Amino acid sequence: EVQLVESGGGLVQPGRSLRLSCAASGFIFDDYAMHWVRQAPGKGLEWVLGISWNSNSVIYADSVKGRFTITRDNAKNSLYLQMNSLTAEDTALYYCVKSKDLECLLADFDYWGHGSLVSVSS
Amino acid sequence: DVVMTQSPLSLSVTLGQPASISCRSSYSLVHTDGYIYFNWFLQRPGQSPRRLIYKVSNRDSGVPDRFSGSGSGTDFTLKISRVEAEDVGIYYCMQGTHWPYTFGQGTKLEIK
Repeated sequence: EVQLVESGGGLVQPGRSLRLSCAASGFIFDDYAMHWVRQAPGKGLEWVLGISWNSNSVIYADSVKGRFTITRDNAKNSLYLQMNSLTAEDTALYYCVKSKDLECLLADFDYWGHGSLVSVSS
Repeated sequence: DVVMTQSPLSLSVTLGQPASISCRSSYSLVHTDGYIYFNWFLQRPGQSPRRLIYKVSNRDSGVPDRFSGSGSGTDFTLKISRVEAEDVGIYYCMQGTHWPYTFGQGTKLEIK
């Protein structure tokens, strides 16, 4: 059974940093691209970043470019999201999402985690 | 960016009756590999999204056959032949052909 378990969320002040983790199990992690998708409270879904199976390709939404970084450690079956210079607009539930493809230049999402809540407030 | 426009944004349906949701993209979703990376997701209250349909018309494992997807190019439709209570939630369309990948605004389905 595929499982994606996010952790690391919490309350953080504007301008500070936070790092999310996603522990993957139930599939061969390094066979698939991975993504982060977020959902602000009461709002819709927004794709934010993706990374290819071997980390050679990384793509970002303009809203987070230069502030957020996606990485992965295939030896640990883990995905990470480093978030810097956080603002109130980054407040959201962050989902770790598995794609069916090796590369991130297309998105064929099949499994989602339960999400990790990030709240940015002073 | 490719804009995904869903309609209607809310739907109130009697149990056992059909329902239909449309999604239009601002650009063709045919990928260079020939596939159309268009999905439908259902987000039940308090849950993470679950994929129902992938590549326009393919049902995911475990998805009841009362759900069907159709469309091509820029216009897509999700149909529920007979709505059941467990179908309540928000339905999102999503394109995975052109990055940044984008979602529709969501369609909230409730039981009348």
